[in-house]
Amino acid sequence: DQQVKQNSPSLSVQEGRISILNCDYTNSMFDYFLWYKKYPAEGPTFLISISSIKDKNEDGRFTVFLNKSAKHLSLHIVPSQPGDSAVYFCAAPLKPGYSSASKIIFGSGTRLSIRP
Amino acid sequence: EAQVTQNPRYLITVTGKKLTVTCSQNMNHEYMSWYRQDPGLGLRQIYYSMNVEVTDKGDVPEGYKVSRKEKRNFPLILESPSPNQTSLYFCASSLTAGPTLNSPLHFGNGTRLTVT
Repeated sequence: DQQVKQNSPSLSVQEGRISILNCDYTNSMFDYFLWYKKYPAEGPTFLISISSIKDKNEDGRFTVFLNKSAKHLSLHIVPSQPGDSAVYFCAAPLKPGYSSASKIIFGSGTRLSIRP
Repeated sequence: EAQVTQNPRYLITVTGKKLTVTCSQNMNHEYMSWYRQDPGLGLRQIYYSMNVEVTDKGDVPEGYKVSRKEKRNFPLILESPSPNQTSLYFCASSLTAGPTLNSPLHFGNGTRLTVT
C-alpha cells in the first residue's frame, strides 16, 4: 500500500509556463514532506520541503503547497526552464514503531519535460 | 567536495555470484541507507543504519546484507544475486541519526545492476 502517491508518470510543459506536479498521501501523521529532483545518471537531490504545520513554502521559482484536508501536496515551478526537465519525487518520513529514526518513503515519481 | 560515492556505477553479473556495492560518504553523516529504484515503484528502502554497528531492515531487505563497521562506509552485499535484484541502487546519507526536515538525505549517483 503506497502511502505517498504520484499518479502522473509524466508531464510535458512549455518553457516559460507553470509546471504543477501533484502528490497524494494517506498517512495524516507525516511531520513534513519533501520534493527531490533526479536527472538521468545522477542520484536524487533535495529540492524543497514543507512542514505539516504550514500550507506553503516558497524558494525562488519553486513553491510547494500543502492541503491537509485533502491530503494533497503540489510543487509549482514558475517559470519552467529546460533545466527543470527531470524526474520529481515527493517523499515523507515514516517512523516505524521499533525505531527512533524516520525512514523516508518516496512516491513513484513524475517525469517532467519542458518543451521549447 | 562533500559527496556520497558508490562503486561500481554499472555491474553485470550472473545468478548466484556474490557481489558487493560499496558506499562511502565524506560528510561525517550519522545515517546511511540503501534504496532501489524500479519503474513505477519509486525508491524503496533496503536497509538503513543510524550509526556505526547499528543497522536495520527497510521495506525490501530480502536477499541483501549490509554492514556498518566504520562511520563513512556502508557496503551492500548480495550473497546470491537473482534476476529480480536487477535494479538501480542508491546509497544515501544524512547528518543526523535519521533524516529530518533540516537534514535531508544526500544520494550517491547510483549503481545499475543487471543479474542474468
